[in-house]
Amino acid sequence: DIQMTQSPSSLSASVGDRVTITCRASQTIGTYLNWYQQKPGKAPNVLIYAASTLQSGVPSRFSGSGSGTDFTLTITSLQPEDFAIYYCQQSFSILYTFGQGTKLEIK
Amino acid sequence: QVQLVQSGAEGKKPGASVRVSCMISGYTFTAYYIHWVRLVPRQGLEWVGMIHPSSGNSRLAPKFQGRVTITRDTSTSTVYMEMSSLRFEDTAMYYCLRAIDHGDKRWFDPWGQGTLVSVSS
Repeated sequence: DIQMTQSPSSLSASVGDRVTITCRASQTIGTYLNWYQQKPGKAPNVLIYAASTLQSGVPSRFSGSGSGTDFTLTITSLQPEDFAIYYCQQSFSILYTFGQGTKLEIK
Repeated sequence: QVQLVQSGAEGKKPGASVRVSCMISGYTFTAYYIHWVRLVPRQGLEWVGMIHPSSGNSRLAPKFQGRVTITRDTSTSTVYMEMSSLRFEDTAMYYCLRAIDHGDKRWFDPWGQGTLVSVSS
């Protein structure tokens, strides 16, 4: 199985901050990397697919980059509604695997 | 709009079975794979398996083979995930998801609202 390792596991930040979450795959996955956001009591929603493509309707303050094994999700100018849990997920191998999640909390 | 609506929460005893349904609307049922993922407390998201609603062919993660069955009913546009021999560690939120596959891009959208399966004695 391809292991996905996210860091940090939790992060405190303030409204207006810029934050970066990283995700590392245990083997190369090209750009088969997606990012999801999960708010309390809700199902996850896709933010970015194929490493850097913004899902329709997602604000442009979200961006993704990377290829191979190392990926980042960046949120510029955090908004109150961005405090949530973020997951990366590889879709290179059919045994789809997720990172353990990054909980973004208000400082 | 595209909707995946799941059945309600289930409380089960160890050793029992559970069947979770996922009713799909808003697009051609047979056009996209449907996957199941679970969110285990303090462990994260885990892929369970998938089915192609057109053929009925399914595939499971190795750890669930022999214990999980994924089926579909094309007459009601519903996908089912049945898990047998439930264990305490199967307590989780179970989600059905539609898989979008565009060549070199594959992602899940949307997700069902989730079904909580609680296993306790």
